[in-house]
Amino acid sequence: SQTIHQWPATLVQPVGSPLSLECTVEGTSNPNLYWYRQAAGRGLQLLFYSVGIGQISSEVPQNLSASRPQDRQFILSSKKLLLSDSGFYLCAWTAGISEKLFFGSGTQLSVL
Amino acid sequence: SQQGEEDPQALSIQEGENATMNCSYKTSINNLQWYRQNSGRGLVHLILIRSNEREKHSGRLRVTLDTSKKSSSLLITASRAADTASYFCATVAQGGSEKLVFGKGTKLTVNP
Repeated sequence: SQTIHQWPATLVQPVGSPLSLECTVEGTSNPNLYWYRQAAGRGLQLLFYSVGIGQISSEVPQNLSASRPQDRQFILSSKKLLLSDSGFYLCAWTAGISEKLFFGSGTQLSVL
Repeated sequence: SQQGEEDPQALSIQEGENATMNCSYKTSINNLQWYRQNSGRGLVHLILIRSNEREKHSGRLRVTLDTSKKSSSLLITASRAADTASYFCATVAQGGSEKLVFGKGTKLTVNP
């Protein structure tokens, strides 16, 4: 069966520090991968998605970047965090176009 | 920009009552999906309804889709305290898009 791993679960980082969040999927190949961010009590904002290794589509220009170095690995990064980067970050995958998403358990990021 | 908008933003009912949440969207869609999120957790897929379907059932869930009005509703019958969560609709735009865009959600509280 397929599983998605996302870590860490909680992260507290100072302003200006770097960020690396990792997400891996097991039990499937060539998934579409997604990074979403959720502000407290709000909906989900699509940040990045990827349909293949090295293929990244950015939805919102901002302080973050994403990479897909391997088929089932998706990384969210920042060189210098801002206060506004705080939020709940969710990784998700889908088997194909228009199919349902499977979400990771999320990372609560607090930038202080 | 967000495609789906849920209504109401918050809903509080008693156990045993039915809960109805609505979703409106702006552009033509391939399918519409409903997700559930418990506080601080990832989202879980509930049901997917395609643009050529009008109604779909899954256990105590009933979803309707009216493409002429660009709206959908999620009905939870005989609600339980365990149904307390936020519910989101998400749409996939027509044309084979890889993007699943979420609304802001309805926060449902079921009181015992």
